[in-house]
This record gives sequence, C-alpha cells and structure tokens, in this order.
Amino acid sequence: DSGVTQTPKHLITATGQRVTLRCSPRSGDLSVYWYQQSLDQGLQFLIHYYNGEERAKGNILERFSAQQFPDLHSELNLSSLELGDSALYFCASSPGGVLQETQYFGPGTRLLVL
Amino acid sequence: GNSVTQMEGPVTLSEEAFLTINCTYTATGYPSLFWYVQYPGEGLQLLLKATKADDKGSNKGFEATYRKETTSFHLEKGSVQVSDSAVYFCAPNYGGSQGNLIFGKGTKLSVKP
Repeated sequence: DSGVTQTPKHLITATGQRVTLRCSPRSGDLSVYWYQQSLDQGLQFLIHYYNGEERAKGNILERFSAQQFPDLHSELNLSSLELGDSALYFCASSPGGVLQETQYFGPGTRLLVL
Repeated sequence: GNSVTQMEGPVTLSEEAFLTINCTYTATGYPSLFWYVQYPGEGLQLLLKATKADDKGSNKGFEATYRKETTSFHLEKGSVQVSDSAVYFCAPNYGGSQGNLIFGKGTKLSVKP
C-alpha cells in the first residue's frame, strides 16, 4: 500500500458527460501528478500540482482540468467525454520540491466511456 | 524530447530462469532512473531506483545499475518466480520544468511453473 488513495475505483459513463476523479496523496506529500494509461498511448503524464499551484502540464486535453485543494487532495475533471477517454487514470504523489524524487502511485481509477 | 526504450515483450520464462529486461534512455541531462511494476489488475509499484551513475538499485531480488556511458538501466533477476509475472516499466525522470516520469511501453513478463 503506497498511501495514495484514489476514488472511485471504477467509473462507467456516457459520451458527452463530465466526471471527477479524486486523489489523496501520502501524508505530508506536497506534489501530486496525474497520469493516463491507455492501450494505444501507454502511460502519459497529464499534469503536476505542487502545494496547490499548477507546476507543469503534459499531454492534457483542454477538456480536462485539475486542481489541488488546501488539504492537498487533488481532483481531475474530465468533460465532454469521448470513447477514447476510456483509460486508467493514476495519480502519484511525492514529498515535493525535488523534481526527480520518487513518486508513489495510487491504485488508479478505471474509466469506461460508453 | 526525452524518451526511453524498453525491450518489447511479452517475455515468457520458466520458474528459476534468469531475467533481463533492457532499458535505454536518451542522454540529455542527468535523469533519476526508476523501475515500476504493475501486477495484474493493480496500480504501479516502485520496484527500484538509482539517482546517479554507477548506482545499483535493488529490491526483491531485482537489480539494475545506472550506466551513464551506455545510457542504460537494465533490470535483472537471477531466479524468477511465478509471482513475478507482471508488467515492468522503465521510467527516467529528467526533472527540468516538469518533474514527470517518462514511461517506456512496458514489458510483460509471464513466468511458468
């Protein structure tokens, strides 16, 4: 158990809908990263938050957004969902500050868009 | 941009066989290097890491050495078990402005009894 929690574990929704994925980092960790794992694209970095501030964006679509709250949990919002958004979404956390430090992953949220 | 290349899978071995999974990374900068493992139906777990040249990361019988001269971080285990069946990901982190891991495509390992 990494100490990173993600909810929900599974999510089934329809095209055009909006969903919110939640991540709670390990106690004391300030950085949260979001990654998407799909069959065709593999594991891709989406976005990084550090202590409430967006630090970096990767291959994140404009339909997707995220935020990190004062209690350091993070939410990833996916809107106008398409079939191709079906994937496993992971968040990871790290203590923060040092960019190359170890990231600890949550169990993921499996999203299925029908 | 930076990238990582892993040997293609799937890899099928018999129990107690020797395992090598090759991984090479682009030579830009000085990344920290990680191996993560994903067991069936589960998330990513850190397996081992190395942060500077010639460092050897090890865990659960797995080892990998940071080879700057060959830009490689090959994963090895002397005697695999059925329980090692999983997908293995090599992932450098170059730091820079993003600090994200760059994942290889993953190598699926199946160990037969």
